[in-house]
Amino acid sequence: QKEVEQNSGPLSVPEGAIASLNCTYSDRGSQSFFWYRQYSGKSPELIMSIYSNGDKEDGRFTAQLNKASQYVSLLIRDSQPSDSATYLCAALIKAAGNKLTFGGGTRVLVKP
Amino acid sequence: GAVVSQHPSWVICKSGTSVKIECRSLDFQATTMFWYRQFPKQSLMLMATSNEGSKATYEQGVEKDKFLINHASLTLSTLTVTSAHPEDSSFYICSARDYRASGGWSPLHFGNGTRLTVT
Repeated sequence: QKEVEQNSGPLSVPEGAIASLNCTYSDRGSQSFFWYRQYSGKSPELIMSIYSNGDKEDGRFTAQLNKASQYVSLLIRDSQPSDSATYLCAALIKAAGNKLTFGGGTRVLVKP
Repeated sequence: GAVVSQHPSWVICKSGTSVKIECRSLDFQATTMFWYRQFPKQSLMLMATSNEGSKATYEQGVEKDKFLINHASLTLSTLTVTSAHPEDSSFYICSARDYRASGGWSPLHFGNGTRLTVT
């Protein structure tokens, strides 16, 4: 079992719709979770970090964490073509010495 | 926000030569930096953790004699790919954590990456 898992996609959404991305992690002791966006050929850029159960909103982005279910999600509201990218879920895996471990990424395509 | 600068952004070298990549934290001190590698259509894989003033910690399967890491100051880490071969062609990305933000759980900030092509 991979430590951080994501659906590879592509997730195709029409412009203006909500994109919903999911991520699960294996180590119940993990405490910190991050969403990064990566455009093709570029390095990842941080979108959101979340540490507590519940929702955290930042502009058009909402991260949700459910530690009991070991589940993290990212919602992108009013999706724009510029949101088309690969979204990487990452977790500080306690069992791996608190190393930041990435999922495989979900490719999102926003169609005008 | 925290800025991590990486240089060069791309490099082409001949097989058997060595390439040095620099990673600098511009507005904060980083006692620890991380080097990742990403092959096409794959996720980031941690290669090694660079520790200021001490030896780097390498992940399983990463050859420490091939990927030399030096972290001589609180703002600079270098990765040298020695005797590069075509299979080393990849996207190398450094990162650092700005502990000023929220202590040990602060997120990683990434450099812009270095695309290495070995011919």
